[in-house]
Amino acid sequence: DQQVKQNSPSLSVQEGRISILNCDYTNSMFDYFLWYKKYPAEGPTFLISISSIKDKNEDGRFTVFLNKSAKHLSLHIVPSQPGDSAVYFCAAGGSQGNLIFGKGTKLSVKP
Amino acid sequence: DSGVTQTPKHLITATGQRVTLRCSPRSGDLSVYWYQQSLDQGLQFLIQYYNGEERAKGNILERFSAQQFPDLHSELNLSSLELGDSALYFCASSEAGVPYEQYFGPGTRLTVT
Repeated sequence: DQQVKQNSPSLSVQEGRISILNCDYTNSMFDYFLWYKKYPAEGPTFLISISSIKDKNEDGRFTVFLNKSAKHLSLHIVPSQPGDSAVYFCAAGGSQGNLIFGKGTKLSVKP
Repeated sequence: DSGVTQTPKHLITATGQRVTLRCSPRSGDLSVYWYQQSLDQGLQFLIQYYNGEERAKGNILERFSAQQFPDLHSELNLSSLELGDSALYFCASSEAGVPYEQYFGPGTRLTVT
């Protein structure tokens, strides 16, 4: 039973445009959500997080939105750059402090 | 560079064998987490240690075990290896009080033949 779902395995965006990556979760007890970026042959890199008491968090070109009623979060990247091309993982903080990951969305930003 | 180191980078071994993966957390981090990434399963939480003590267990097989030493480095031991254990194994660490912001090492790619 997948508690964190990323339904789009891939996304292609033109450089300079907005990238929107989506994530759904099933457990309303999660109290922290994060996005990680992963390049091939490297470990995931922490990108941005949001607490369940907020609905938006911004860091430079990256903004995460949380809709608790819909159990949905999204990551917006504006403007997208070719260096943003990577696999993006959504994760939720479980009760034990561990992270529960989605299966990832591969973002390709075309010049 | 996350500051988390893992050795070895690659490991090829045969079924039935035993291997040890090593992780050094970021300086000052007391928590260490182990994750497994298989081809079709995404990142799965295995086990967490905090300052030498086991804190949480996830989907870790009985053939697998881990420990965290006084210098805070951690080892993941995998025994009676099966073909299905082939995967990337990641270690992550976090600061005390900020458990969710975890910093990952580069991983160890294990291939069981």
